[in-house]
Amino acid sequence: EPEVTQTPSHQVTQMGQEVILRCVPISNHLYFYWYRQILGQKVEFLVSFYNNEISEKSEIFDDQFSVERPDGSNFTLKIRSTKLEDSAMYFCASSKLATPYNEQFFGPGTRLTVL
Amino acid sequence: KQEVTQIPAALSVPEGENLVLNCSFTDSAIYNLQWFRQDPGKGLTSLLLIQSSQREQTSGRLNASLDKSSGRSTLYIAASQPGDSATYLCAVRRETSGSRLTFGEGTQLTVNP
Repeated sequence: EPEVTQTPSHQVTQMGQEVILRCVPISNHLYFYWYRQILGQKVEFLVSFYNNEISEKSEIFDDQFSVERPDGSNFTLKIRSTKLEDSAMYFCASSKLATPYNEQFFGPGTRLTVL
Repeated sequence: KQEVTQIPAALSVPEGENLVLNCSFTDSAIYNLQWFRQDPGKGLTSLLLIQSSQREQTSGRLNASLDKSSGRSTLYIAASQPGDSATYLCAVRRETSGSRLTFGEGTQLTVNP
């Protein structure tokens, strides 16, 4: 069964460094998302992406964050200058269509640790 | 602002028991509600999606119900097994907030052999 994949599974970085988290959504899906989960807290929406542009973003998704679909398969989240509070599990998700009823499928996550 | 609450926060049951997990949301204007399973340190596995026009959705031993007007959903697990031990999350997609899902904090389920 097709699934969302994410790399790396764990990333350790120093504060102030740039990180890129990578995702390969399910191949025939058109909507892509990033969520994060700080340890012990709720899963939070960051951004959604459709037709090569951001369709929605949350207040968390400030100028330090950017997303890109560099080719036909990858979807990336870049954090320009990491802060300690960026430490979290980052989940990529995808859905097939843009209709309101579409199910979102999540990847296994990348655990980001900022030291 | 949509708030999603799950009760109880943790639940421990003996194997074979039927159980109910609860999810409530403050804004009833939703497109759908999704139930997920999360194993420790792992991603989210979608279990069921129930649309706003539906009352129930079933998959194997799982049954999700939705009462949109009262802002409630339940996930019923029949004949629980130790392999069901995980955290169960509900998430809603609001009519007024695009495609984002708003999550509850989850119910941590332990099924004891």
